[in-house]
Amino acid sequence: KQEVTQIPAALSVPEGENLVLNCSFTDSAIYNLQWFRQDPGKGLTSLLLIQSSQREQTSGRLNASLDKSSGRSTLYIAASQPGDSATYLCATFSGNTPLVFGKGTRLSVIA
Amino acid sequence: NAGVTQTPKFRILKIGQSMTLQCAQDMNHNYMYWYRQDPGMGLKLIYYSVGAGITDKGEVPNGYNVSRSTTEDFPLRLELAAPSQTSVYFCASSYGTADTFFGQGTRLTVV
Repeated sequence: KQEVTQIPAALSVPEGENLVLNCSFTDSAIYNLQWFRQDPGKGLTSLLLIQSSQREQTSGRLNASLDKSSGRSTLYIAASQPGDSATYLCATFSGNTPLVFGKGTRLSVIA
Repeated sequence: NAGVTQTPKFRILKIGQSMTLQCAQDMNHNYMYWYRQDPGMGLKLIYYSVGAGITDKGEVPNGYNVSRSTTEDFPLRLELAAPSQTSVYFCASSYGTADTFFGQGTRLTVV
């Protein structure tokens, strides 16, 4: 059974700092790994999708990497802004099991 | 193109009542999912469907039922509501293992 863990559970940083969010998973036989953003009281918004054959994906100030062999992914946010404050979730799609989620990292960027 | 639409947004049920949460997508996605999100617990998969006429249980299916008679619609039925079903429910869809898109959620309270 796939288990996804996100560390840290919460993170507070000053504006302008670069930061890394971590995601680990127990079953490396994944089809893909997806990073989402969730604002309070809202649904999930897809940020980046990394297919199993890929090593990383970039979108603007966001960069996500995937190391299947070690069961890890990182989300790098450059030059953080207060508008980046949200909960970030990672999830994997593996075998016959649709997206399995971690519990998320709650990010606060302080102006 | 509305994406994934969930109705209602909010609902209060009394113990023992039943209701159907509606979900519709207009992206011609073959996969559809229902998740519930409880505080601090992440998202748990209730049921999913890989195409019309096909449904399968997720991690927490007890107390729920689904049907998928069309590609577009994937309603979730709650029978005999219990306080343990108080949660935020999210419907999502994808084309296979590509990007997954989420609705805005239904906040359900059982009293």
